[in-house]
Amino acid sequence: SQQGEEDPQALSIQEGENATMNCSYKTSINNLQWYRQNSGRGLVHLILIRSNEREKHSGRLRVTLDTSKKSSSLLITASRAADTASYFCATDRLEMDSSYKLIFGSGTRLLVRP
Amino acid sequence: DAGVIQSPRHEVTEMGQEVTLRCKPISGHDYLFWYRQTMMRGLELLIYFNNNVPIDDSGMPEDRFSAKMPNASFSTLKIQPSEPRDSAVYFCASSLGPTARGYTFGSGTRLTVV
Repeated sequence: SQQGEEDPQALSIQEGENATMNCSYKTSINNLQWYRQNSGRGLVHLILIRSNEREKHSGRLRVTLDTSKKSSSLLITASRAADTASYFCATDRLEMDSSYKLIFGSGTRLLVRP
Repeated sequence: DAGVIQSPRHEVTEMGQEVTLRCKPISGHDYLFWYRQTMMRGLELLIYFNNNVPIDDSGMPEDRFSAKMPNASFSTLKIQPSEPRDSAVYFCASSLGPTARGYTFGSGTRLTVV
């Protein structure tokens, strides 16, 4: 079952603009991760934010986490055409049987127009 | 490091045939995951291993699916017999610890069952 739900499902912006994607989840988590998937390719890990962190930066990426609202956002600043891809949030949670699961959301398709 | 290696990249098979997908994780990674991606259901976790031992196979859809990890450098996902609804992209991923860092995904195997 999907844990995270991304919003919007699709986003189209002009090169140079910022892109913001949101993710909501349902249960408590250990950490939350964002991945990028180019068409026909595997997923690439972008950034991980732990449950006790509120904000994290990596280059042009900024991720926030609000555990009280069970939500996260991914901001890509100064977007480029090469940022065109699908972006997924994934929650890493501890299960009742002490196993871990990384559960992916449905993704946001980002199109950056040149 | 060559990353996570999956084979074959594409597989077309007839309904009823046995299909075997292969994965070589990154050396030193002690967790291995099998995911399936479809348009309808998104990314689903099928099974994962820790130190070659299956930990959680609750995502395996039916008894037709089986996965093995005979050693730290090799895993297989087998479907027998295959059905058209098994058509999907199957990803293998590995990680160093369940939550330490992000997962590294392979390029996937696109399976088409006709």
